[in-house]
Amino acid sequence: AQKITQTQPGMFVQEKEAVTLDCTYDTSDQSYGLFWYKQPSSGEMIFLIYQGSYDEQNATEGRYSLNFQKARKSANLVISASQLGDSAMYFCAMRATNTGNQFYFGTGTSLTVIP
Amino acid sequence: DAGITQSPRHKVTETGTPVTLRCHQTENHRYMYWYRQDPGHGLRLIHYSYGVKDTDKGEVSDGYSVSRSKTEDFLLTLESATSSQTSVYFCAISDGTSVTYEQYFGPGTRLTVT
Repeated sequence: AQKITQTQPGMFVQEKEAVTLDCTYDTSDQSYGLFWYKQPSSGEMIFLIYQGSYDEQNATEGRYSLNFQKARKSANLVISASQLGDSAMYFCAMRATNTGNQFYFGTGTSLTVIP
Repeated sequence: DAGITQSPRHKVTETGTPVTLRCHQTENHRYMYWYRQDPGHGLRLIHYSYGVKDTDKGEVSDGYSVSRSKTEDFLLTLESATSSQTSVYFCAISDGTSVTYEQYFGPGTRLTVT
């Protein structure tokens, strides 16, 4: 069965500091993709970053990086130099070959950036 | 931004009435999805479509039906709305079968069943 686990319901970080949001996944597939989305209070879902299971290097997109540890089945999101606008819900998701075209989402982490 | 619209954006309806939500895309993407979002549950897949007239059930499909008669439109119907279906509903699209393809989301529809 495919499963995404986000164990941090809420996180706080000081402005300009870095923060790590945890995500672990469970799949028996060899080919899968891992995604992070941001949902601000306005409600829209914004795609942030992608990591493929065969990618040897960690993905980076601006201030976002994905700490991918395949053996541990973890795909943590690192946000560097936090800004007030980073306050939002963050969702980890997975898409695997054997799940057809389905995506599986975690329950999310609420991040609050403190001035 | 991906061209995805949802209508209506907000709806209040009474228990037992039918409700149809519409998702419209201008990206010509093959895959379309309906999710519901509830506190503590993240996003849960209701139904998805992998082509015109091709649909499949997701994790929480009971009480919902879908139809896709055109590439650009994906309809979600609650045959007889219940209070447990009060939620925020998101439509999403994706192109291609590879696991590298991300989803793009519509703005969401807030449905309240009284």
